Amino acid sequence: NAGVTQTPKFRILKIGQSMTLQCTQDMNHNYMYWYRQDPGMGLKLIYYSVGAGITDKGEVPNGYNVSRSTTEDFPLRLELAAPSQTSVYFCASSLVGGNTEAFFGQGTRLTVV
Amino acid sequence: DQQVKQNSPSLSVQEGRISILNCDYTNSMFDYFLWYKKYPAEGPTFLISISSIKDKNEDGRFTVFLNKSAKHLSLHIVPSQPGDSAVYFCAASPTDKLIFGTGTRLQVFP
Repeated sequence: NAGVTQTPKFRILKIGQSMTLQCTQDMNHNYMYWYRQDPGMGLKLIYYSVGAGITDKGEVPNGYNVSRSTTEDFPLRLELAAPSQTSVYFCASSLVGGNTEAFFGQGTRLTVV
Repeated sequence: DQQVKQNSPSLSVQEGRISILNCDYTNSMFDYFLWYKKYPAEGPTFLISISSIKDKNEDGRFTVFLNKSAKHLSLHIVPSQPGDSAVYFCAASPTDKLIFGTGTRLQVFP
């Protein structure tokens, strides 16, 4: 029972570098989400997808890109890392949207220096 | 613009007593509400939910109350146990998305 798997768990990036946070789920869920959690700020929605080939912006999309070529995978791309992107990133999936239980990955702690 | 607000960053409760966590929202289009629990270094896990057509939902020690006119919901935990110590997030759904509050850190002491 893998559920939602995120890689890597930790990463340190230099300003201006790029990276991709990987997220995969094995529950055949249609909906997938990316959130960031800053201290004391709760979880902010970055991007979400309602199915393969469909993505949409959330509350804080600037500086990020996503793609959804398969049902299982929903990678998050940071093109030019900035210190403001230092955060803990969570990927989640749910079967049919926000009115069903969402399952979260363990998170990726990213530090941009 | 914070659409889902949890105004109490922390709450401390004695074991066996009731814990009440509060949440307010601003968007009347939200039709589903959920509570998640988060331990350190882990992802949030689903706890309980309520549809906007109901005003109460109960699951064991956990009960969620919804007051649509006040745009307010609350989570009651009774009796509270030390294992309930965690951060609790309220979330609201306008169908496709989940919008989270800032969280309340609950500490249950013996």
